[in-house]
Amino acid sequence: QTVVTQEPSFSVSPGGTVTLTCGLRSGSVSTSYFPSWYQQTPGQAPRTLIYNTDTRSSGVPDRFSGSILGNKAALTITGAQADDESHYYCVLYMGAGIWVFGGGTKLTVL
Amino acid sequence: EVQLLESGGGLVQPGGSLRLSCAASGFTFSTYALSWVRQAPGKGLDWVSTISGAGSGTYYADSVRGRFTISRDNSKNTLYLQMNSLRVEDTAVYYCAKDYWGPYWYFDFWGRGTLVTVSS
Repeated sequence: QTVVTQEPSFSVSPGGTVTLTCGLRSGSVSTSYFPSWYQQTPGQAPRTLIYNTDTRSSGVPDRFSGSILGNKAALTITGAQADDESHYYCVLYMGAGIWVFGGGTKLTVL
Repeated sequence: EVQLLESGGGLVQPGGSLRLSCAASGFTFSTYALSWVRQAPGKGLDWVSTISGAGSGTYYADSVRGRFTISRDNSKNTLYLQMNSLRVEDTAVYYCAKDYWGPYWYFDFWGRGTLVTVSS
C-alpha cells in the first residue's frame, strides 16, 4: 500500500516563509508522479494551487511555489498572509488511473 | 466557466445503496476524465474512483472496489457513482473533480460536494 506523507501541522508568522513537504513512506517523490497541491478551508471545496510539481494554477498568487526538495515534493509560501491559514493536501499520480493523497497539513498563521 | 454540481447524498443504513450524480458544464464533457474524491468528517481527502472521458477506463481505490461503480452519460454531461454495500466508514463528503490527463495529471476543478451519511 502506497502511503504519501505530509506534516500534520505547521505554523508560520505573518510575512514569513514556510515549506510543506510531500513524501513517500517507501521511496522518493519525483516529477514523474506529477505532484499537485490543493488548499482547503473548512466547509469549502479544495482549490487547486500547484500542478506538475511547480506550475501555479490560474489566479494563484506567486507567493505559492512548488518544487522537488531532496526526495520530496514541496510547497513553499513566501510572505504568508492570514488567509493562507488552511489545510494543504498533496496528491501523487501513481499511473494506471490511480491517485494517492497525503494526509494533509494544517497551516496556522500566527 | 467550469461548474460541477453534485447531488444524491443523504442518510442510508449500513448495507444500503445510494447513487450520486455530478452535473457538469463549461467544458467539453466527453473529452475529460472525472473522479470522485471523498472526505470523512475531520479527515483528509481520499481518492475513490476515476473514469476516462469515453467511459472505457474505470479505476477504483481498494477500499471501494467491488462495492462502488463509476459511470458517466456523455449525452447528459453527468457523472455517477453507484455505491452499494455501504459501510459506516463510507460516511463522507463526496466531491466530483475534473481530471487533467496528459502531458501532466492533476485535478483542475472541483465541485462543492454532497454529504453521505451511513448510519443505523
